[in-house]
Amino acid sequence: AQTVTQSQPEMSVQEAETVTLSCTYDTSENNYYLFWYKQPPSRQMILVIRQEAYKQQNATENRFSVNFQKAAKSFSLKISDSQLGDTAMYFCAFMLNDYKLSFGAGTTVTVRA
Amino acid sequence: DAGVIQSPRHEVTEMGQEVTLRCKPISGHDYLFWYRQTMMRGLELLIYFNNNVPIDDSGMPEDRFSAKMPNASFSTLKIQPSEPRDSAVYFCASSQTSGGAASTDTQYFGPGTRLTVL
Repeated sequence: AQTVTQSQPEMSVQEAETVTLSCTYDTSENNYYLFWYKQPPSRQMILVIRQEAYKQQNATENRFSVNFQKAAKSFSLKISDSQLGDTAMYFCAFMLNDYKLSFGAGTTVTVRA
Repeated sequence: DAGVIQSPRHEVTEMGQEVTLRCKPISGHDYLFWYRQTMMRGLELLIYFNNNVPIDDSGMPEDRFSAKMPNASFSTLKIQPSEPRDSAVYFCASSQTSGGAASTDTQYFGPGTRLTVL
């Protein structure tokens, strides 16, 4: 089974500042997908960003970007210009071609006004 | 387009009762997934379907749990009999893995059903 580790249970950031969430995973496969999902208090799971392992270029979506280090099996998420609406739990997830998502334990991000 | 629809949003029942959770995937999506989220175990995949056929049910915890997908636009997850330890948030998600769309392989989640078994 694939494992996903998020070592930071909680993070706090001042509005407009930048925060980086860490994620590491363990796999012997070469082709896979990585995702970050956001779960606000409404508990809806919202896709933030995705990365295909075969792509060397790091994915970006507006204020969200990743640092994908395949050799280190690391997939960190950077939130720039943090906004109050970014307050949520963030989950890192891993998927092989079997379409089964494995999630990390999550990191709670609190954006302070 | 409408997202994944789940009903009910909240369910409170007593131990021993049958519970049925419902899901309508995004139109055109050919994969459907059921997940459970608890504080202790986090997010776990229970079962998933491809073209209405169950592919992997290895995450289903016990025989008390069953899932069906009678057609491309509807799926149910049933717990019979329910127990207090089944209390959790149950998510349905769908994805489109054919057609070459840019969002291929990405799973889109419904709002979840919060189940409380007393």
